[in-house]
Amino acid sequence: GIQVEQSPPDLILQEGANSTLRCNFSDSVNNLQWFHQNPWGQLINLFYIPSGTKQNGRLSATTVATERYSLLYISSSQTTDSGVYFCAVFPISGAGSYQLTFGKGTKLSVIP
Amino acid sequence: GAVVSQHPSRVICKSGTSVKIECRSLDFQATTMFWYRQFPKKSLMLMATSNEGSKATYEQGVEKDKFLINHASLTLSTLTVTSAHPEDSSFYICSAIPWTSGIKNEQFFGPGTRLTVL
Repeated sequence: GIQVEQSPPDLILQEGANSTLRCNFSDSVNNLQWFHQNPWGQLINLFYIPSGTKQNGRLSATTVATERYSLLYISSSQTTDSGVYFCAVFPISGAGSYQLTFGKGTKLSVIP
Repeated sequence: GAVVSQHPSRVICKSGTSVKIECRSLDFQATTMFWYRQFPKKSLMLMATSNEGSKATYEQGVEKDKFLINHASLTLSTLTVTSAHPEDSSFYICSAIPWTSGIKNEQFFGPGTRLTVL
């Protein structure tokens, strides 16, 4: 099956700093989503971005489908950005009902 | 929009009992829902795909007789953990794809249910 690798696994930032999270995947994708899992376990949809660039406030994401990677940018980080960021994909070659394969996540800690 | 709820949010039960978890899409209809399991500090692992009106499709290694899934309507899927044991303790999360999403197939997730089996 498709492989999803996220880096870095852990990241500690000072409040106000910027960061870039990376997601590499091993096959062409039909779906790529970025999520933020908050401390209570809720997965919050950040971006649906199988290709191209999107921005939402301090967050933006870029997926370069031909090179099989996606980047999540967080600018002016806040303590509320802390949590785990997951990338999840569904391959173009996949069969079935669009099941997502998740990376292992990046744990972000923003300190005041 | 695209809100998914789960009930209960937390459950503690004795070994050998069965526990039912509900997953509802509140403001959309979903022909497909998914059930995931997450261990502490780990990623999400897909357990099964639930399609309205048909039998669920289970991932390899998931016991379908232990984890019973019913998708009785376009807004409700249930996961029943039968004869639960301590090793079934975990965080269970459901997700759904709005049936109107077409090729977009964006998934929306519920808040999760934390199951503890004593």
